[in-house]
Amino acid sequence: GNSVTQMEGPVTLSEEAFLTINCTYTATGYPSLFWYVQYPGEGLQLLLKATKADDKGSNKGFEATYRKETTSFHLEKGSVQVSDSAVYFCALSDRTNFGNEKLTFGTGTRLTIIP
Amino acid sequence: DVKVTQSSRYLVKRTGEKVFLECVQDMDHENMFWYRQDPGLGLRLIYFSYDVKMKEKGDIPEGYSVSREKKERFSLILESASTNQTSMYLCASSLPKTGYNTEAFFGQGTRLTVV
Repeated sequence: GNSVTQMEGPVTLSEEAFLTINCTYTATGYPSLFWYVQYPGEGLQLLLKATKADDKGSNKGFEATYRKETTSFHLEKGSVQVSDSAVYFCALSDRTNFGNEKLTFGTGTRLTIIP
Repeated sequence: DVKVTQSSRYLVKRTGEKVFLECVQDMDHENMFWYRQDPGLGLRLIYFSYDVKMKEKGDIPEGYSVSREKKERFSLILESASTNQTSMYLCASSLPKTGYNTEAFFGQGTRLTVV
């Protein structure tokens, strides 16, 4: 089946630093790609998505570009804030054994921003 | 505001007990999911349901069962709880075609400890 490999954490950065969290995938076909974020004490919420090659997803200053040639979907932000401290999950669309659709997640990257 | 509600934030159960985790969504979604979240392993799919009374095993169904008698409610059952089922459990829901232009919405999670 499809799989996601995500940069291991934890990642600690100073406020206003540049952020990159790497994500690569293995898939048959052309999955959609997602970044979800989990703030402390909360469930996951969608941060951004891209549904086809060369699409760029963006939200709250974060960006990720669907790169088919490198099978990657790296998350970037130019200037991080303390409020960005969270766990970030890369995910892709996948099919179950019976052809239903589901999401497959990476292992998550914990990001801590220090003032 | 869309909502997925899990009945408990924290649970402590004894080994061998039968445990019920409840999840309710108010978005009239067809798909509902149960994941468990463990450090270093990310989110792993236990079971999902794509319609009332319909279910499909996920990646780690052993030791679990599910029930979906009504569209809005999806229950995860631990038939005989064991210490290796101590984890964070996350419920999610979505429209069909989760992997394409459809977002999955998550509950806040239930942290289960089996002693």
